[in-house]
Amino acid sequence: VQLVQSGAEVKKPGASVKVSCKASGYTFTRYYIHWVRQAPGQGLEWMGIINPSGGSTSYPQQFQDRVTMTRDTSTSTVYVELSSLRSEDTAVYYCARDRGDIEVVGAAYDALDIWGQGTLVTVSS
Amino acid sequence: DIQMTQSPSTLSASVGDRVTITCRASQNINNWLAWYQQKPGKAPKLLIYRASSLESGVPSRFSGSGSGREFTLTISSLQPDDSATYYCQQYDDYSSFGQGTKLEIK
Repeated sequence: VQLVQSGAEVKKPGASVKVSCKASGYTFTRYYIHWVRQAPGQGLEWMGIINPSGGSTSYPQQFQDRVTMTRDTSTSTVYVELSSLRSEDTAVYYCARDRGDIEVVGAAYDALDIWGQGTLVTVSS
Repeated sequence: DIQMTQSPSTLSASVGDRVTITCRASQNINNWLAWYQQKPGKAPKLLIYRASSLESGVPSRFSGSGSGREFTLTISSLQPDDSATYYCQQYDDYSSFGQGTKLEIK
């Protein structure tokens, strides 16, 4: 069971970035995927969640206007896209699997048991 | 939004010590709380879920307790490999993390 993320990105302020997370070793559509980011030297910040089965998403208010999460079931890959980048978006972005089987727990969230290796996004002019 | 507050922010202890980290939620989170360990340059690792359930493969010296708004992570006998930053996370209403506790070995 693993999540493998795409490589580091360097973007200019105002641009967008799209990071991928490919799942393997389990049934992709049965477990939510969360995105979490970590600015240099800072703590963890939750960015939102996607249901890989139906594609439904939920984002906290601070990201509502700028983040989009999507998935491709044919390749077991989820994506996060962040727009209107600013320097404060410089961070390592992680995808993480929710440990709850959607067919068992339904819409409830659970802890994050499998994490990707992280993708560094640098925003600099 | 549910705010999570950890204490202390930093902690220094000796091998063999019993260590406790506290996490307080701004409202009742119904035991939907997890603890993670993160080492520099690595992704977080799940230790405890649902406040007190030990994740498979995690050493039994780690334990979690608490309910409602106040929770603790305890390391019963500190080992050198436990040097890391520890985070709590609530997942009762959306999700959010505490600010982290950096644990150093004396």
